[in-house]
Amino acid sequence: EAGVAQSPRYKIIEKRQSVAFWCNPISGHATLYWYQQILGQGPKLLIQFQNNGVVDDSQLPKDRFSAERLKGVDSTLKIQPAKLEDSAVYLCASSLRGSSHYGYTFGSGTRLTVV
Amino acid sequence: AQTVTQSQPEMSVQEAETVTLSCTYDTSESNYYLFWYKQPPSRQMILVIRQEAYKQQNATENRFSVNFQKAAKSFSLKISDSQLGDTAMYFCAFMKLTGGATNKLIFGTGTLLAVQP
Repeated sequence: EAGVAQSPRYKIIEKRQSVAFWCNPISGHATLYWYQQILGQGPKLLIQFQNNGVVDDSQLPKDRFSAERLKGVDSTLKIQPAKLEDSAVYLCASSLRGSSHYGYTFGSGTRLTVV
Repeated sequence: AQTVTQSQPEMSVQEAETVTLSCTYDTSESNYYLFWYKQPPSRQMILVIRQEAYKQQNATENRFSVNFQKAAKSFSLKISDSQLGDTAMYFCAFMKLTGGATNKLIFGTGTLLAVQP
């Protein structure tokens, strides 16, 4: 099966600019996750979708971050305006509904550098 | 809140030898899952092995095995016959078992493993 697709692979922007990341999960995976991985740290969950509904966004900085999952398939994560501390790898992952305890499938991530 | 601690930021092992990566966690839950993920330079997180807390038997996957000590809240990963391709960052992760849809992974800070030829 095709894996989780993410784009772009790299992005460099200036602070206060906006940026968007795209994720296409594995076909049929109802649950989609966005994780933020700051250098030297483990990934941290930003938001979790079940189909097109938000299940958990408790750690999403809602003043600058937003995410959507239209039609329960692709998802977009946006940052506006970006800060220096947003420099990180943004990982998207997906899992079958009710099967997350078997582990997620991750994409290769987008490395964001804010200068 | 659950926490995961990996106390070894970096480790090195000779090819064909055995290495053990340490992980401890803190939780008041009784039902949960533990995972080891590998992250090579390609950045994709790859599932190495998983353990269900209610199972006493340690999980094994080919050259990878775990030592799960529930009372001590310890979950170490043993890699036997290390290969150059095992060079990567390894993350220990915890997932609380819930009846609902929220099943998030909580990760440690990772251990960078270098396999030397």
